[in-house]
Amino acid sequence: KAGVTQTPRYLIKTRGQQVTLSCSPISGHRSVSWYQQTPGQGLQFLFEYFSETQRNKGNFPGRFSGRQFSNSRSEMNVSTLELGDSALYLCASSLVTGDYEQYFGPGTRLTVT
Amino acid sequence: ILNVEQSPQSLHVQEGDSTNFTCSFPSSNFYALHWYRWETAKSPEALFVMTLNGDEKKKGRISATLNTKEGYSYLYIKGSQPEDSATYLCAFRGLGGSARQLTFGSGTQLTVLP
Repeated sequence: KAGVTQTPRYLIKTRGQQVTLSCSPISGHRSVSWYQQTPGQGLQFLFEYFSETQRNKGNFPGRFSGRQFSNSRSEMNVSTLELGDSALYLCASSLVTGDYEQYFGPGTRLTVT
Repeated sequence: ILNVEQSPQSLHVQEGDSTNFTCSFPSSNFYALHWYRWETAKSPEALFVMTLNGDEKKKGRISATLNTKEGYSYLYIKGSQPEDSATYLCAFRGLGGSARQLTFGSGTQLTVLP
């Protein structure tokens, strides 16, 4: 069974631009969560989607948004990029929300210059 | 903001040593506690999901215990091997509202020296 895939793997953007990251969950998984990992902050929760609905949102500004499609694939968008948005963005999928194991993708490394 | 703390921050052990780390989390509104292993240049790998007070789980040489009343979990590695070198993360999930999101600790970085 294929794992969680994320595209692109690496990305370099300029301040003020916007970016869209994509995540394809494991087949059959309906829940997708997004996390930001920075050296100083560790792994921080961004959003959780289940059946195309946002179930939970972390403490991030409105520049960070996401969505989930009917095939469970998810995208996250960051508008008006800032230098501090440079991070590794991980998505994770699980069968449903709750205490099920989450399976992480390889991440997208975003660098904002 | 939920506080999930892990100690120690980093640890160096010799091959064959047994070791353990601690994860502290809020003792109220507990729903689940997750443990992950994160090797460099790889994705975090789920080790355990623990939901009941007193839970003990084991996978090979790695085991974990859970005390929800006092808000801590221990991860044990018996007979450490160089391939166990990784960052071990715990994550807390609470009941209701924003507590339902997974809140991660900062991790324990383990290095096993051959």
